[in-house]
Amino acid sequence: AQSVSQHNHHVILSEAASLELGCNYSYGGTVNLFWYVQYPGQHLQLLLKYFSGDPLVKGIKGFEAEFIKSKFSFNLRKPSVQWSDTAEYFCAVNPNNAGNMLTFGGGTRLMVKP
Amino acid sequence: DAGVIQSPRHEVTEMGQEVTLRCKPISGHDYLFWYRQTMMRGLELLIYFNNNVPIDDSGMPEDRFSAKMPNASFSTLKIQPSEPRDSAVYFCASSLRGRPLTGELFFGEGSRLTVL
Repeated sequence: AQSVSQHNHHVILSEAASLELGCNYSYGGTVNLFWYVQYPGQHLQLLLKYFSGDPLVKGIKGFEAEFIKSKFSFNLRKPSVQWSDTAEYFCAVNPNNAGNMLTFGGGTRLMVKP
Repeated sequence: DAGVIQSPRHEVTEMGQEVTLRCKPISGHDYLFWYRQTMMRGLELLIYFNNNVPIDDSGMPEDRFSAKMPNASFSTLKIQPSEPRDSAVYFCASSLRGRPLTGELFFGEGSRLTVL
C-alpha cells in the first residue's frame, strides 16, 4: 500500500533559522505531490504543489520544495523561518491514476521561537 | 467565494449518543472527502464520494460510522453510538476533477468532536 512518511514529528526552531522538513513516499509510479499547512485553530491550506516540470517548486510565504524522483522525496524548505510559520505541515501524495485521492503523511509540528 | 462549510464547529456529547456532522462542499466540486485528525494517527481518510456515490469507505473505522451524500451540495457523517475514542477533528474537503492535473483539496474548518 502506498504510504507517505514524515520522519520529523516535532521541530523547534528560532526565528531566522533555516527549515527543511522531510517527506518520502512509497508509490513507484507517477505522482502529484503537495504540501499543506495547518495554522493553529485553522483548516488545512495548500502551500505548494508539484505536478511535472521543474522539480523545484515555489509556494506561498517563501516556501519551496524539491522533488527528487530517485529518492522518492519531496522535502519542504524555507531559508529563514518566522514566528508566524508556527503550524503543522502535511505532505500529501496523489498518484496520477488515483483520481483525487490524497494520502497524507502524519504531519510535522513546527514551533518557531521568537 | 464560499468555501467548504462544516457544522457544527464544536460538539461535546456523551458516550452512546448519536453524532451527525454536516458538510457543504464548494459548488461545482464533484469529489467530497471526510478525514479524521487525531494526535495519535494524524490525518486519516475515512471515505470519499464522487458525484454523490461513495467510492472508497475502507477508512471508516467500524459499523458505528456511516456517511451519506444525498445530493451534490450536502453530506453527513454519522457516528452511532459514539465512544470516547471517536474524539477528534473531522474535516470535510471537496475537489474538482475534469482537468488534466488535479488533486487539490479544499478543506473546511473542521468539526471538533469530544465524546465524554
